[in-house]
Amino acid sequence: DAGVIQSPRHEVTEMGQEVTLRCKPISGHNSLFWYRQTMMRGLELLIYFNNNVPIDDSGMPEDRFSAKMPNASFSTLKIQPSEPRDSAVYFCASSLGVENQPQHFGDGTRLSIL
Amino acid sequence: GQSLEQPSEVTAVEGAIVQINCTYQTSGFYGLSWYQQHDGGAPTFLSYNALDGLEETGRFSSFLSRSDSYGYLLLQELQMKDSASYFCAVWDRKLIWGLGTSLAVNP
Repeated sequence: DAGVIQSPRHEVTEMGQEVTLRCKPISGHNSLFWYRQTMMRGLELLIYFNNNVPIDDSGMPEDRFSAKMPNASFSTLKIQPSEPRDSAVYFCASSLGVENQPQHFGDGTRLSIL
Repeated sequence: GQSLEQPSEVTAVEGAIVQINCTYQTSGFYGLSWYQQHDGGAPTFLSYNALDGLEETGRFSSFLSRSDSYGYLLLQELQMKDSASYFCAVWDRKLIWGLGTSLAVNP
């Protein structure tokens, strides 16, 4: 079975541009998580969805960040406008259920904002 | 507040045993998980403890003591490929992550 698929794998863009990250969860998984990882702050949960509904978005840094899950097989994380401090690796993960279920991570998107 | 503490770095030699500790302080607790992440890679699930005691999966074991808010990951017969970061995480309405322990396995 295919794992969690993220695109793009790498993104380099200039400050002020809109960035859209995409994620396809594992088929049958009903929970989806967006994380950001940096050396300074470690792995941070930005938002998670259960059955396509956002459950906790308390980790979203500010209004420049938004996430959607229009259906069970697709989610996006958008940054507009982007800033250099947004540079990080962004991971998407999915799980079967929410509590205590193993989360399966995609390979991540390495984002650099110049 | 919610916090998980684990050592930042551990060094060991091939064939040895290493224990990575994790203490947590959360308002709720629904289980302790461990994840492994190699440099440049994604976190991968290793183990999960909901109840007190030891869970064994091959060379890796994980232990939990809920009364002490403490757990550990035990890696036996260390191999070079075990060099990675190891994260403990607690589910409390969402998964709360430690900052990770960087394990270096030397020949």
